[in-house]
Amino acid sequence: GAVVSQHPSRVICKSGTSVKIECRSLDFQATTMFWYRQFPKQSLMLMATSNEGSKATYEQGVEKDKFLINHASLTLSTLTVTSAHPEDSSFYICSARDYTYEQYFGPGTRLTVT
Amino acid sequence: GENVEQHPSTLSVQEGDSAVIKCTYSDSASNYFPWYKQELGKGPQLIIDIRSNVGEKKDQRIAVTLNKTAKHFSLHITETQPEDSAVYFCAASIIIQGAQKLVFGQGTRLTINP
Repeated sequence: GAVVSQHPSRVICKSGTSVKIECRSLDFQATTMFWYRQFPKQSLMLMATSNEGSKATYEQGVEKDKFLINHASLTLSTLTVTSAHPEDSSFYICSARDYTYEQYFGPGTRLTVT
Repeated sequence: GENVEQHPSTLSVQEGDSAVIKCTYSDSASNYFPWYKQELGKGPQLIIDIRSNVGEKKDQRIAVTLNKTAKHFSLHITETQPEDSAVYFCAASIIIQGAQKLVFGQGTRLTINP
């Protein structure tokens, strides 16, 4: 099956700093990538959708200036959490889709803001 | 918008027995229904999916059924094994402003008792 990687898998940062998370589709070209956030024992919450070469579309309630998304190529999307606060601590998961319906998820990144 | 309800929230079965998880959706335009398995600390893994032009699909011990009229779909796992223990999410695909997105159910924590 299709493989999506994320880096880093875990990151701890101090309040006020920025953190960048990378998402890569390893064996297919992802025309669309998605970023989700997941709280413990809860479902996945879609944050934004990004298409290669265009601006990301954010879900209602998600601050686009805080969660910067870049989809510079068909295999790479990045999420930058700017001026992180403890409430931003969460499990962030990306997914990627090619021209079909199937959406494949990365392994996730656990962010802890101290 | 689309709403996906998933039941039960927790399910415990004896090893070797079958497990069934059910989901209902609200948007009759939804046409793609994937199921994901998520193990602790990992990203969701696509295990099976079904499109609206098919009523049933099977892959070894896993099967999914879809009733478009009633707007519900189910995951069936037969001959369960301890490694089937995980959280399972159903999802329904919707098109919003020309973009395809997945709406997830709340998840089912499946425990297989040896």
